[in-house]
Amino acid sequence: KAGVTQTPRYLIKTRGQQVTLSCSPISGHRSVSWYQQTPGQGLQFLFEYFSETQRNKGNFPGRFSGRQFSNSRSEMNVSTLELGDSALYLCASSLQGGNSEQFFGPGTRLTVL
Amino acid sequence: ELKVEQNPLFLSMQEGKNYTIYCNYSTTSDRLYWYRQDPGKSLESLFVLLSNGAVKQEGRLMASLDTKARLSTLHITAAVHDLSATYFCAVKETSGSRLTFGEGTQLTVNP
Repeated sequence: KAGVTQTPRYLIKTRGQQVTLSCSPISGHRSVSWYQQTPGQGLQFLFEYFSETQRNKGNFPGRFSGRQFSNSRSEMNVSTLELGDSALYLCASSLQGGNSEQFFGPGTRLTVL
Repeated sequence: ELKVEQNPLFLSMQEGKNYTIYCNYSTTSDRLYWYRQDPGKSLESLFVLLSNGAVKQEGRLMASLDTKARLSTLHITAAVHDLSATYFCAVKETSGSRLTFGEGTQLTVNP
């Protein structure tokens, strides 16, 4: 069974630009969660999507948004990039969210110059 | 707000030695996870602990959970170099699937 895939794996952008990251969950999984990992703040929850609906949201500004498609693939978008948005963005998929175990993808490394 | 604290944050140990990483959390939770992360890599699931007194072992790693004390431990037995990595504990809130992570423990095992 294929694991969670994320594209692109690496991305370099400049301040003020916007970026879209993609996550394809494990086949059959309907919940996708996004996390940001930085050296200063550690691993922080961004949001969770289930059946195309945002079910939970972390404490991030409105520049961070996401969506989920009918095939459970998810995208997250960051607009007006700031230097502090440089991070590893991890996507995790689970069968139904809740108590279902989450499986993490390889991540997208975003660098903002 | 759920808070998760790990200690130590940095751990340098010699091969063959034993050590324990501690994970404290601030509010009731119904499950706790331990993950391993190698540099530049994603998170690898090690253990899921579901109930008070739960103990799980895999190779040289053993994890336990005390929900009354809100404490989990990850014990390393006879460390080997291959265990060098950063270890995170993560606590799931009782509703939803959001995980709150500890700061991570960077483990270095020296030959």
